Amino acid sequence: KQEVTQIPAALSVPEGENLVLNCSFTDSAIYNLQWFRQDPGKGLTSLLLIQSSQREQTSGRLNASLDKSSGRSTLYIAASQPGDSATYLCAVSENFGNEKLTFGTGTRLTIIP
Amino acid sequence: NAGVTQTPKFRILKIGQSMTLQCAQDMNHNYMYWYRQDPGMGLKLIYYSVGAGITDKGEVPNGYNVSRSTTEYFPLRLELAAPSQTSVYFCASSPAAGSPLHFGNGTRLTVT
Repeated sequence: KQEVTQIPAALSVPEGENLVLNCSFTDSAIYNLQWFRQDPGKGLTSLLLIQSSQREQTSGRLNASLDKSSGRSTLYIAASQPGDSATYLCAVSENFGNEKLTFGTGTRLTIIP
Repeated sequence: NAGVTQTPKFRILKIGQSMTLQCAQDMNHNYMYWYRQDPGMGLKLIYYSVGAGITDKGEVPNGYNVSRSTTEYFPLRLELAAPSQTSVYFCASSPAAGSPLHFGNGTRLTVT
């Protein structure tokens, strides 16, 4: 059974620093990997989706990488801002659809002004 | 842009009561999903639908029912509420299989 782990559970970083969030998964037979952010009391917002054939995806200050063979993905956030404070979750899909998504428990990120 | 709208935001139920969690999306997405999020656990899929009239079970369907009579609405029914159903429930939609998910803001349900 696929398991997704995100370590650390919480991270505090001074404003302006670059940072990396980690996601690991046990079964490398994935179709895609998605990164989300969740603000307190809100739903998840999709940030990046990486297909299994891709190595990375970029959106603004965010860059997500995928190494299927090692079962790892990272989310790089450049020049962090207080507005980046949120919980970041990753999820891997075992097939083409979203019905086989396995979510991690997230990393709670706090950017210190 | 409303996106995915969930009602109510909060609800307290007594054991054995029933309720329907409402979910509506205005993006004409075919795919809709219900998840629950428990503290310290990843989101778990309850039910999903690939289009009007078609629903299927997810990982944790017991104690729940769904219907999908139109593209826009995907209500989740809890019959005979139990304390184990205390959770935050999220509805999500996507335009196609494997596309990024759009989430509602959730319903926080407490069963006592």
